[in-house]
Order: sequence, then C-alpha cells, then structure tokens
Amino acid sequence: EIVLTQSPGTLSLSPGERATLSCRASQSVSSRYLAWYQQKPGQAPRLLIYGASSRATGIPDRFSGSGSGTDFTLTISRLEPEDFAVYYCQQYGSSPLTFGGGTKVEIK
Amino acid sequence: QLQLQESGPGLVKPSETLSLNCTVSGGSISSSSYYWGWIRQPPGKGLEWIGSIYYSGNTYYNPSLKSRVTICVDTPKNQVSLKLSSVTAADTAVYYCARVVVYPQYYFDYWGQGTLVTVSS
Repeated sequence: EIVLTQSPGTLSLSPGERATLSCRASQSVSSRYLAWYQQKPGQAPRLLIYGASSRATGIPDRFSGSGSGTDFTLTISRLEPEDFAVYYCQQYGSSPLTFGGGTKVEIK
Repeated sequence: QLQLQESGPGLVKPSETLSLNCTVSGGSISSSSYYWGWIRQPPGKGLEWIGSIYYSGNTYYNPSLKSRVTICVDTPKNQVSLKLSSVTAADTAVYYCARVVVYPQYYFDYWGQGTLVTVSS
C-alpha cells in the first residue's frame, strides 16, 4: 500500500500569504494518478487538482499543483478567506487507492 | 448538474450490516466514462476509500474491507449501493459516494453530501 504523508499537519497563515502544502508518497506514483481535494467543515471534499497539476473545473488559478515521483506540492499563491480548510492528496497509482492524512490551513 | 445523494439508516447495531444507497441525478450511472465510488471519514479523521464499481458490475475494493464489503449498481434506479457487514464502532463514519473519472487520470470529481452512520447498541 502506498502511504501518503502530508506536511505540515497544520499551516497557520494570514490572508494574502502563500501556502505550500507537501504530499510525499512511500513509493513512486505516476503523476496521472495524484489528486488534491479541499474540505471545509461539514462539507464533502471538493476536487481541486487532478493529474498532479491540472485544475478542476471552476477552480481559481491561485491554486496550482506540481511534482512527480514521490514528492508533490499544492500551492495557493494568495490565500483568500474561503481557502482556510483541510486539504487532502490522493493516489491511485496502485491499489488500494489512498489519501494523505490532510493539512489544515488555518487563519493566523 | 450531476447530483449524488446518499441515504440509509443513521444508526446500526454492532455485528449488523450497514446498508446505504446513492441516488444519482442529472446523469446516467450507465455512462461508459465513469466508475462510482464509496469513501468514508470517521469523525475528526481522514478519508478512506471503500471501493469502486462500474455500471457493468465490475468492482474494486479496499483490501482492508474487502471481506465485509459489497457494492452493487441498480441501473434502472440510477443507484449505487453499499453493504458493510459485521460492523463495529470503528465503522462509525460519514459515508460519501462519488463519481470516479478513471481515464486518463483517476479522481473523484462529484461527491454526495455524505451521510453519518453511527454504530452503537
């Protein structure tokens, strides 16, 4: 099973700042099979990024994804108030599909 | 606009079977382009994939749950169902259904709102 380790666990930032979230895989994952989701309290996850770097429909361009192999990054260029949430990475390069433990982006 | 809605009992007794339905509207569950998946999230914790199914009935399960899980499709009703047997308190979670894009990438693009299932006597 591929374990995805997200860091940091919590990121405390102010609106307007840049957020850099890391997702590290225990074995190499094809970029095609790496996705990122945003989840707000009481809501279902929302797809942000698929294929490591492609933004989903309707996702603002302040969200970007990058990386390959075992190291992937989600960057939010300038935090808006609505971006404070928990973010999860997900892989299905090999079964079983797994999610990372999440990074909480909170208001500093 | 595609919508998914989970439904089922919110309380299940230990050792019994959890049964949920996911009704899809605004699109056909028989589309050849998609799978349909179940994911769960224990309160305050992260996401766990349960399994995915194609409209033809082809299924993929998380090995950690495979012995207890059955996922089926009902194409006339445009529904996907989940059964999880021999439940314990550890199965208490919000259960989500989601549409799965499987080619050329693999991701969940539409999610239901989720339904909380509590396992307790």
